[in-house]
Amino acid sequence: AQTVTQSQPEMSVQEAETVTLSCTYDTSESDYYLFWYKQPPSRQMILVIRQEAYKQQNATENRFSVNFQKAAKSFSLKISDSQLGDAAMYFCAYRTLRGGSEKLVFGKGTKLTVNP
Amino acid sequence: GAGVSQTPSNKVTEKGKYVELRCDPISGHTALYWYRQSLGQGPEFLIYFQGTGAADDSGLPNDRFFAVRPEGSVSTLKIQRTERGDSAVYLCASSPPGGETQYFGPGTRLLVL
Repeated sequence: AQTVTQSQPEMSVQEAETVTLSCTYDTSESDYYLFWYKQPPSRQMILVIRQEAYKQQNATENRFSVNFQKAAKSFSLKISDSQLGDAAMYFCAYRTLRGGSEKLVFGKGTKLTVNP
Repeated sequence: GAGVSQTPSNKVTEKGKYVELRCDPISGHTALYWYRQSLGQGPEFLIYFQGTGAADDSGLPNDRFFAVRPEGSVSTLKIQRTERGDSAVYLCASSPPGGETQYFGPGTRLLVL
C-alpha cells in the first residue's frame, strides 16, 4: 500500500519570504499523481498544485512550485513571497493511476504560520 | 459554478444514535468520494462511487457505515449506532469524467457525545 509522509508538523515563515514543505511517499508504481492541498480553518480542502509522475518538469502555479524527485520519492512544495492568506494546513496526497482505485492517500499535514 | 456542498455543517448526536450526512457534488461530476478526517490527521478514504455504484468501499471501517448514491448525483453517508470514536470531520469530494483532481466540500463535523 502507498504511504505519504510529511515530516514537518509545523512550519513558520515571515511574510514575503520563501518556505519549503517536505513530502515523501512510498510506492512500487511508476505512474501516479501527486497533489498538494491547502486546508484553512474553514475546513475546505483547496487544490494548490498537481504533478503527474510521468512528467519530468516540475509543476508551477504562480507563487507555488514543486520539486519532484521521482527516484527519491520526494515531492516538496515551495511557496514564494509568502502572504498572510497562505497560513493553513498543507496536505500532500498520492493517487494511483490504476483504474478502480481512485482514492487519495494523504500525509498527516504541515501547519504553516505566516508572520507579519 | 457551485462547488461541492455538504449538509449539515455540524452535527451533534448521542452515542448509539443513527446519523445521515449528505453530499451534493459539482454538477456533471460522475465520481464521488467520502473521507474521514480525525483531529490532527490527514483525511482517510472511506468510499468511492462511479455513477450510482460503489467502485471501492475498502475504507469503510465496519458495517455500521454505509453510503448510497441512488441517482448518481447526491450521496448520503449513513452511520448506525454511533460511537464516540466516530467523531470527526467527514469530507466529500467529486471529480469530472476522466479527471484526476478531486474537488472537496467544506465537510460535516460530527460530534458523538
